[in-house]
Amino acid sequence: GAGVSQSPRYKVAKRGQDVALRCDPISGHVSLFWYQQALGQGPEFLTYFQNEAQLDKSGLPSDRFFAERPEGSVSTLKIQRTQQEDSAVYLCASSLTGGLGNTIYFGEGSWLTVV
Amino acid sequence: AQSVTQLDSHVSVSEGTPVLLRCNYSSSYSPSLFWYVQHPNKGLQLLLKYTSAATLVKGINGFEAEFKKSETSFHLTKPSAHMSDAAEYFCVVSEDTGGFKTIFGAGTRLFVKA
Repeated sequence: GAGVSQSPRYKVAKRGQDVALRCDPISGHVSLFWYQQALGQGPEFLTYFQNEAQLDKSGLPSDRFFAERPEGSVSTLKIQRTQQEDSAVYLCASSLTGGLGNTIYFGEGSWLTVV
Repeated sequence: AQSVTQLDSHVSVSEGTPVLLRCNYSSSYSPSLFWYVQHPNKGLQLLLKYTSAATLVKGINGFEAEFKKSETSFHLTKPSAHMSDAAEYFCVVSEDTGGFKTIFGAGTRLFVKA
């Protein structure tokens, strides 16, 4: 596609509910990133894939957060038993290769509100 | 370990006057540095990047930044602000340590007065 596409754009979840956020990276992009952006703050790194391999998941805040990219293209970020502190914008990004300095292209984000 | 400090949370300028958004970084390796802009309810857009080539980097919309290793700084400038420049700006450092972590600063909100 022309850009990084994320769905849903907006999600309201009840506390304790599971949610799944989808990311379609730019076609052919090897690297895929997930970030969490709380209101008024900068994005914080969650995890990074190169093709289907999850090379870095050190930013995932708890074991309730899980990300996958089984075929090296579309990725899903899953949050189990959501809590109010999970409310944030979840940004997906991709880059052509894993090389340092490659431009990272961002989607518009999935806005999650936990009530 | 890498980190990014944006020295001002808010900057206010008048239209037509220069813009300076300050960024300091720390990195154990030779980093790549970026500036991104985020308009309300929009995705992050790359303004410019430094990847160990020329230390003065020109970006889109008249912005530029200078990498100063001795000062560990990567400040963003523009000679003349436009109303459409009002947005949130993020300084970003990225280094390849076997993994590929990208760290954002906390952001600087730029206000442009008519």
